[in-house]
Amino acid sequence: GQNIDQPTEMTATEGAIVQINCTYQTSGFNGLFWYQQHAGEAPTFLSYNVLDGLEEKGRFSSFLSRSKGYSYLLLKELQMKDSASYLCAVSSSGAGSYQLTFGKGTKLSVIP
Amino acid sequence: GAVVSQHPSRVICKSGTSVKIECRSLDFQATTMFWYRQFPKKSLMLMATSNEGSKATYEQGVEKDKFLINHASLTLSTLTVTSAHPEDSSFYICSARDRRQHYEQYFGPGTRLTVT
Repeated sequence: GQNIDQPTEMTATEGAIVQINCTYQTSGFNGLFWYQQHAGEAPTFLSYNVLDGLEEKGRFSSFLSRSKGYSYLLLKELQMKDSASYLCAVSSSGAGSYQLTFGKGTKLSVIP
Repeated sequence: GAVVSQHPSRVICKSGTSVKIECRSLDFQATTMFWYRQFPKKSLMLMATSNEGSKATYEQGVEKDKFLINHASLTLSTLTVTSAHPEDSSFYICSARDRRQHYEQYFGPGTRLTVT
């Protein structure tokens, strides 16, 4: 089976930096995704890591360590609109369809 | 960019009736589509994987006779909730994988189902 763990809630200040961690246990690992989801809306893609290291994309960066089963999403220069849930999802190829298994999500609140 | 649409966005139905939700990939062909449901403040739970031209693969605990999935073309998959009950009320989200890619899934905007 697969197990994905991330903090339930986090609070950070506008303009600051926040790091959201995700640990996972899976077989047939085929990459890790981060999605942003605002309440009542579908998830939107933020990043994809399949190799170890840091991927930077504007204010958002994502890191992966496959040996440690660990990833984090780093958000810089926080804005109020960044208040959302952030979902860590692991892709596995066991079923041949590259299914995604989602963590429970981290609800980030950005305060002034 | 890749766009996935869902219809309807919201639906209210009475217990015992059936509801069909459509998921379309608008500008790409999707050999595989996924159906998820999400309860309030919970994460997305995969219900089934829908492959074009073949039977859907359901996750453990998901009743295939209750949640009928049809993936008739490379751009359309439908989920029919049969004999709906109030406990089926949820947010249903589909995603589609571009046949040219192996990893990224594009999500639809979701359908809010309320069964009264």
